[in-house]
Amino acid sequence: DIQMTQSPSSLSASVGDRVTITCRASQDIRNYLAWFQQKPGKAPKTLIYAASTLQSGVPSKFSGSGSGTDFTLTISSLQPEDFATYYCQHYRDYPITFGQGTRLEI
Amino acid sequence: QLQLQESGPGLVKPSETLSLTCIVSGGSVSSKNYYWGWIRQSPGKGLEWIGSTAYGGSVYYNPSLKSRVTISVDTSKNQFSLRLSSVTAADTAVYYCVPRRGECSGGTCHWYFEIWGRGTLVTVSS
Repeated sequence: DIQMTQSPSSLSASVGDRVTITCRASQDIRNYLAWFQQKPGKAPKTLIYAASTLQSGVPSKFSGSGSGTDFTLTISSLQPEDFATYYCQHYRDYPITFGQGTRLEI
Repeated sequence: QLQLQESGPGLVKPSETLSLTCIVSGGSVSSKNYYWGWIRQSPGKGLEWIGSTAYGGSVYYNPSLKSRVTISVDTSKNQFSLRLSSVTAADTAVYYCVPRRGECSGGTCHWYFEIWGRGTLVTVSS
């Protein structure tokens, strides 16, 4: 199985900040990577797929980059509603696996 | 825009079979642009992909669950279902139905999780 490792596991930031979350795959996944946001008690929401393509309706403050094994999610101009847990996920092959999550806190 | 609604028992006894259904609106489960699948999340834990299937096509399961899982599509009711047999307390989780949409360009297809159901908590307990 391909292992997905996110860093950091948790991150403290302030409103207005720009933050970057990293995701590393245990082997080359090309750009078969997605990012999700999850708020407490809610279902995850898809933000990005194909490493950098914004899902419809997702604001442009979210951006993704990377290819191969190293990927990043950047969130600019943090707002209160952005504080949540973020997950990366590969779909290069089966089984599909997720990172362990990065909790973004105020 | 697809809309999804999971349904099924919230409590299942150990060794029995967990059965959940996801009713789809705003689209057809016979569409060739989607795989229909399930993901679960144990309390306080991360996300685990269970499996995905395409109508009339391939089915893929997580090897860790493969011997106990069946995912099927019912076009007459426009829904898809999950069955997980011989459950234990370790199967207690929120279960999400999550279609994978195919976006293809230049011979490359990205089958990504487009939208998530609201999730349903299933507790395994006697």
